[in-house]
Amino acid sequence: DAGVTQSPTHLIKTRGQQVTLRCSPISGHKSVSWYQQVLGQGPQFIFQYYEKEERGRGNFPDRFSARQFPNYSSELNVNALLLGDSALYLCASSSETSGFTGELFFGEGSRLTVL
Amino acid sequence: SQQGEEDPQALSIQEGENATMNCSYKTSINNLQWYRQNSGRGLVHLILIRSNEREKHSGRLRVTLDTSKKSSSLLITASRAADTASYFCATGGGSNYKLTFGKGTLLTVNP
Repeated sequence: DAGVTQSPTHLIKTRGQQVTLRCSPISGHKSVSWYQQVLGQGPQFIFQYYEKEERGRGNFPDRFSARQFPNYSSELNVNALLLGDSALYLCASSSETSGFTGELFFGEGSRLTVL
Repeated sequence: SQQGEEDPQALSIQEGENATMNCSYKTSINNLQWYRQNSGRGLVHLILIRSNEREKHSGRLRVTLDTSKKSSSLLITASRAADTASYFCATGGGSNYKLTFGKGTLLTVNP
């Protein structure tokens, strides 16, 4: 079975631009979460969606937004990019079963570089 | 903000040796998990220990949890070069799927 897939794997943007990152969860998983990982740090929670509704939001500015589609895939959008947005963006999915235990299944991430 | 803090930040050992990493956290938890990350790639779930458990084993992994001290340890026995990775503890979960990660321990296993 396919795991969590993310695209693109790498991208370079300039300050002020906008970026859209995409994620497809494991088949049957209805929950998708987004995490930002800056070099040398642990992942930081950005958003969690379940059944197309936002269930949680981390301490990130309104420039960050996300949505989940009827097929449970998800997009993360970041507007007005800053140098500090350079990071590895990780998507994770969970099933109703694993969700209640907290186990997340991560994709390989999208590495964003802002110049 | 980081909930968990791993210790040490970096650990270098020889193949065959055991590696122990520690994690401290600040608030009460439902469970604590350990994840592994190879060289800036995705995280892989290793093991979960619930707040009412004190010790758990999975293959060469042994995790302990001391809720009175708000700390956990991950022991990897008979380490291999392929165990070289960053290891993170994470707290949270339950009906709230948000996990809060520490900064991680970078483990290097030398052949």
